[in-house]
Amino acid sequence: EAGVTQSPTHLIKTRGQQATLRCSPISGHTSVYWYQQALGLGLQFLLWYDEGEERNRGNFPPRFSGRQFPNYSSELNVNALELEDSALYLCASSLADPISGANVLTFGAGSRLTVL
Amino acid sequence: GQNIDQPTEMTATEGAIVQINCTYQTSGFNGLFWYQQHAGEAPTFLSYNVLDGLEEKGRFSSFLSRSKGYSYLLLKELQMKDSASYLCAVKGSARQLTFGSGTQLTVLP
Repeated sequence: EAGVTQSPTHLIKTRGQQATLRCSPISGHTSVYWYQQALGLGLQFLLWYDEGEERNRGNFPPRFSGRQFPNYSSELNVNALELEDSALYLCASSLADPISGANVLTFGAGSRLTVL
Repeated sequence: GQNIDQPTEMTATEGAIVQINCTYQTSGFNGLFWYQQHAGEAPTFLSYNVLDGLEEKGRFSSFLSRSKGYSYLLLKELQMKDSASYLCAVKGSARQLTFGSGTQLTVLP
């Protein structure tokens, strides 16, 4: 079974540009989560999509946005890039989320974004 | 909101036992997870607790006390490959996981 795949692996942009990161979940998973992991920091929750809808977003400015496609893949867009956006962006997928229960997230290897 | 605290770094010797603590404050509680992340790799799931008590899985065990907002991950018979970052994460009422900053464990020979 293929795991969560993310592309590109590495991306270099300059300040003010836009970046698009892509994620394909595990087959059968309908929920996709995006996290930012800056150097030396923990995973910061960005966005959660399920069944094509945005279910929740973290404490990030509106220039961080995304969407989920009918095949449950997802993309994260970051507009007007700033130096502090340099980080590893991790995508995770899971089965549809019950309110409780061990709904385990499976992570991709991440996309490393460098903003110069 | 949610707040999760865990030590930044720990060091232990191969073959020893190490306990990584995690304290949390959360709005609502729907489970606590531990993940392992090797440098440059994706986090991988280790354990899940939703009820008080100890969950054992091979060399790894995880404990939860909901009344104290406290969990620990216990690693026995440490191996060099256990050197990694260990992430404590809580599922609160918002239903997505909130992660702590991680504990970097170094296992020495």
